[in-house]
Amino acid sequence: DAKTTQPTSMDCAEGRAANLPCNHSTISGNEYVYWYRQIHSQGPQYIIHGLKNNETNEMASLIITEDRKSSTLILPHATLRDTAVYYCIVSPLKAGNMLTFGGGTRLMVKP
Amino acid sequence: EAGVAQSPRYKIIEKRQSVAFWCNPISGHATLYWYQQILGQGPKLLIQFQNNGVVDDSQLPKDRFSAERLKGVDSTLKIQPAKLEDSAVYLCASSLAGGRRDTQYFGPGTRLTVL
Repeated sequence: DAKTTQPTSMDCAEGRAANLPCNHSTISGNEYVYWYRQIHSQGPQYIIHGLKNNETNEMASLIITEDRKSSTLILPHATLRDTAVYYCIVSPLKAGNMLTFGGGTRLMVKP
Repeated sequence: EAGVAQSPRYKIIEKRQSVAFWCNPISGHATLYWYQQILGQGPKLLIQFQNNGVVDDSQLPKDRFSAERLKGVDSTLKIQPAKLEDSAVYLCASSLAGGRRDTQYFGPGTRLTVL
């Protein structure tokens, strides 16, 4: 299964864009990239996922490089409520959608 | 739409005691997951059910952990006997059909402290 590498922590000023990188250099052709986040004392929350095209929803944008070896999650206008741990996950090749969480990136949005 | 419900939210027990956690998934979701999250780490999948059948329990410590989903809806996770290292948050999640593009929805978790 492909593994992901994320920075341990990042800071972002409130109102600015938060760009969270993720490396997944061993990703296979049909593996999806998922992003979840976990706010303190809550369960993880789905944000977005993609295969090879860039994706956007009401929460965020996902930019996947052409070689698919890395991706960036973009929160266009970060708020204090976006302070959380953000997990980048590559779905395994086997059937089903089992998620393997790594350590994630702790994003601190500061006023 | 109601989310994934879990109870209790907190539990404190002594080592070697037994404990059980309950999960009610989102209505209509066929797939149910139990995760263990130790402080400072990401969640780790313990078991995955599809309806009332087990899809994956390869990371469940079967000597002390058990889980069931008898009618394909609610699920219980039991630890017997508990060890100190079982202190963690136990998260339940559900998804519609367990397919690759399904979104998993997580409950608030049960925080277990083993003394």
